[in-house]
Amino acid sequence: DAGVIQSPRHEVTEMGQEVTLRCKPISGHDYLFWYRQTMMRGLELLIYFNNNVPIDDSGMPEDRFSAKMPNASFSTLKIQPSEPRDSAVYFCASSLRSSIGSRSGANVLTFGAGSRLTVL
Amino acid sequence: RKEVEQDPGPFNVPEGATVAFNCTYSNSASQSFFWYRQDCRKEPKLLMSVYSSGNEDGRFTAQLNRASQYISLLIRDSKLSDSATYLCVVNMFLGAGANNLFFGTGTRLTVIP
Repeated sequence: DAGVIQSPRHEVTEMGQEVTLRCKPISGHDYLFWYRQTMMRGLELLIYFNNNVPIDDSGMPEDRFSAKMPNASFSTLKIQPSEPRDSAVYFCASSLRSSIGSRSGANVLTFGAGSRLTVL
Repeated sequence: RKEVEQDPGPFNVPEGATVAFNCTYSNSASQSFFWYRQDCRKEPKLLMSVYSSGNEDGRFTAQLNRASQYISLLIRDSKLSDSATYLCVVNMFLGAGANNLFFGTGTRLTVIP
């Protein structure tokens, strides 16, 4: 398996531009997560999907952020308009069985290589 | 108070040394525990799960102390290749549909030749 695939690996853009990050989860995994990582705040969960349906988007910073999962093999995270404070590494992760909503959940998250975003 | 707290380090240790990291968690109902490893400019990867009875994987030993709500990771005979950031991850049941997985900010380890 190729693992979780993210694109682009690096993106440099100017403030106000639209940014779209893409993710292909591991085939058969039914949970998909978007995280953001910065030095100051560490890994923050933005949103997660179960069977393509958004379950919890409480971590999405504001309306400028949106995420979709049109099918089981593809998800996007969009920032419009982008701001310098959005600069971070954005990770996508997938899981076969999630700890979400489960007392016994002991899932293992597999992360993609991340998309490093710099907004000037 | 954060759900999961770690000493950010950095820990700088010589090759061959033994080093230990601790991580505390806030919710006593936490169910399962993990250590992830993250190399510089790479993604986090699962290092090991942490079981109630403690568990060992080669030079790595993980311990859980539910009474004091902390987990630990011990690395013996440190290698240069152990240099990385170690993330503590805790699964807390907060109700159906709620996010249960919480990451610490990581402890950075540098093993020096």
